[in-house]
Amino acid sequence: ELKVEQNPLFLSMQEGKNYTIYCNYSTTSDRLYWYRQDPGKSLESLFVLLSNGAVKQEGRLMASLDTKARLSTLHITAAVHDLSATYFCAVDIGGTSYGKLTFGQGTILTVHP
Amino acid sequence: GAVVSQHPSRVICKSGTSVKIECRSLDFQATTMFWYRQFPKQSLMLMATSNEGSKATYEQGVEKDKFLINHASLTLSTLTVTSAHPEDSSFYICSATRLGGLNQPQHFGDGTRLSIL
Repeated sequence: ELKVEQNPLFLSMQEGKNYTIYCNYSTTSDRLYWYRQDPGKSLESLFVLLSNGAVKQEGRLMASLDTKARLSTLHITAAVHDLSATYFCAVDIGGTSYGKLTFGQGTILTVHP
Repeated sequence: GAVVSQHPSRVICKSGTSVKIECRSLDFQATTMFWYRQFPKQSLMLMATSNEGSKATYEQGVEKDKFLINHASLTLSTLTVTSAHPEDSSFYICSATRLGGLNQPQHFGDGTRLSIL
């Protein structure tokens, strides 16, 4: 059974600081997604990581994937209040299960002035 | 704009009522759609895989007679919560895979918040 674990589950940051959210998964996969969820809303796609060593950046967020370590990271640079949300990583093992996602627990990020 | 439409966005009803939720892919065909459930302050849990033209595949622990799924066309899947009870209150979210969209993210609907009184 695929397990996806995020760390930390709660993150309180000061504006301007940097931090990293980690996502470990237990089964071979080269397809990992990061999503953002605002309170009461659905999921907003942030990144699609499809190969070992993939790195993608959008604004203050950068995501990477190490398929050998079964680890993805979401790095936040110079946090701003607008980044406060819950962040989920999700793994797709592909094959006949393509599209079926297993989510991490989520990381609740709060950015303080 | 939204590529997956989910309706309704919110339902409040009495215990024992059956509730139907629709998930539509707006500008693409989806042979497969997925239904997730999210309880407050928790992650998303996959309930079932909806397959166009065939029976849905349910995850372990999800009652197929309670959560009826119909995927009648390449753009529409419906989830019916039959005889809903307060413990079924949750946020239900669908997603769809674009045909040929191997390098794209899953497209999620806006979700349906179901509250059973």
